[in-house]
Amino acid sequence: NAGVTQTPKFRVLKTGQSMTLLCAQDMNHEYMYWYRQDPGMGLRLIHYSVGEGTTAKGEVPDGYNVSRLKKQNFLLGLESAAPSQTSVYFCASTYGTKLNEQFFGPGTRLTVL
Amino acid sequence: ILNVEQSPQSLHVQEGDSTNFTCSFPSSNFYALHWYRWETAKSPEALFVMTLNGDEKKKGRISATLNTKEGYSYLYIKGSQPEDSATYLCACFQGAQKLVFGQGTRLTINP
Repeated sequence: NAGVTQTPKFRVLKTGQSMTLLCAQDMNHEYMYWYRQDPGMGLRLIHYSVGEGTTAKGEVPDGYNVSRLKKQNFLLGLESAAPSQTSVYFCASTYGTKLNEQFFGPGTRLTVL
Repeated sequence: ILNVEQSPQSLHVQEGDSTNFTCSFPSSNFYALHWYRWETAKSPEALFVMTLNGDEKKKGRISATLNTKEGYSYLYIKGSQPEDSATYLCACFQGAQKLVFGQGTRLTINP
């Protein structure tokens, strides 16, 4: 099993450009999450999904959109990138109850110039 | 958004010494507490998931306790080794669907 994978691993964007980050999991997990990690801030939740076709806002959703068209994939989109979105982005998935650990992907390092 | 606090923010420990650090969270509407270990350049990996007051979990030299009535959890490492160097994250469930993470405790083991 590959677990949780993220594409791409690194990306540099100019302000105003758009991009999509892809998260894929092969563990048949219901719940998927997108976090951003910034120095001194820990992991902050951007958006999450409790199942195929559903999404919900997290703590810092502004400037991002998500889609969960297939159970195994969770896409994070930046429509018009800003320097404040420079961060490391982690995707995670879990079976879906509070008793289950989250499994994290390797992260995507995004720089917006 | 509930507030999850970890202390200290960073810690330097001599190899062979034991250490512990704290995670504090609101005691009301508690669902579950997770501990994750996060090595540099890697992804967070789960250590423990705890739900019951008084719960104690152990994995090798690492153990954790939970007090849901007063809103804290301790993580203990016995006989620290260089490979224990990492950031340790705790997280609490807000509602039934999402974790709120603390800022982490960065542990460095000095040989």
